[in-house]
Amino acid sequence: SAVISQKPSRDICQRGTSLTIQCQVDSQVTMMFWYRQQPGQSLTLIATANQGSEATYESGFVIDKFPISRPNLTFSTLTVSNMSPEDSSIYLCSTRSGGNEQYFGPGTRLTVT
Amino acid sequence: GQQLNQSPQSMFIQEGEDVSMNCTSSSIFNTWLWYKQDPGEGPVLLIALYKAGELTSNGRLTAQFGITRKDSFLNISASIPSDVGIYFCAGRNSGAGSYQLTFGKGTKLSVIP
Repeated sequence: SAVISQKPSRDICQRGTSLTIQCQVDSQVTMMFWYRQQPGQSLTLIATANQGSEATYESGFVIDKFPISRPNLTFSTLTVSNMSPEDSSIYLCSTRSGGNEQYFGPGTRLTVT
Repeated sequence: GQQLNQSPQSMFIQEGEDVSMNCTSSSIFNTWLWYKQDPGEGPVLLIALYKAGELTSNGRLTAQFGITRKDSFLNISASIPSDVGIYFCAGRNSGAGSYQLTFGKGTKLSVIP
């Protein structure tokens, strides 16, 4: 299994500002994923981050709002830009390890005021 | 798009009782994953299923990959207070060229001591 850490674990941000969330994996992985979990809801995939190429965004998510970096095989960042209260969610980093198993980080709990 | 129906939404059970929850899909999956999420944490992978009809156990947890490839269930035997949390099913059809996991809406389990 992969061990995934995220920073920060939580933050309270002002409307209109941006927050960058960091994700670190303890081994090299090809694919990293970013998910959003709105309060009381299930997980929704934001984008897939591949090293050496641009992230692939899911319907409803755009690069200007959620820019992603993937500088190497163990690290990725997700920025939530120009935040509004609707962006208040848990943001989760995830990766596949080995076969089809997929693992998640502890999440970043974001509150936008 | 693919949809997963997970039931029940929530359940209250007495400590020591067995629990069963299930997921059904509108389309075929070739991987089923079951996760548990504790408050303030990321989802933790419990069981992964890769073949139709597969029955896999992890301690007191047992999960099965339905024969039709459109459903899966998770059983917890002899529940204990630390089983409390939200259980998510997730499916993937990588044969369609997608690595995306589709998540159910979760089953919130409460255990009464």
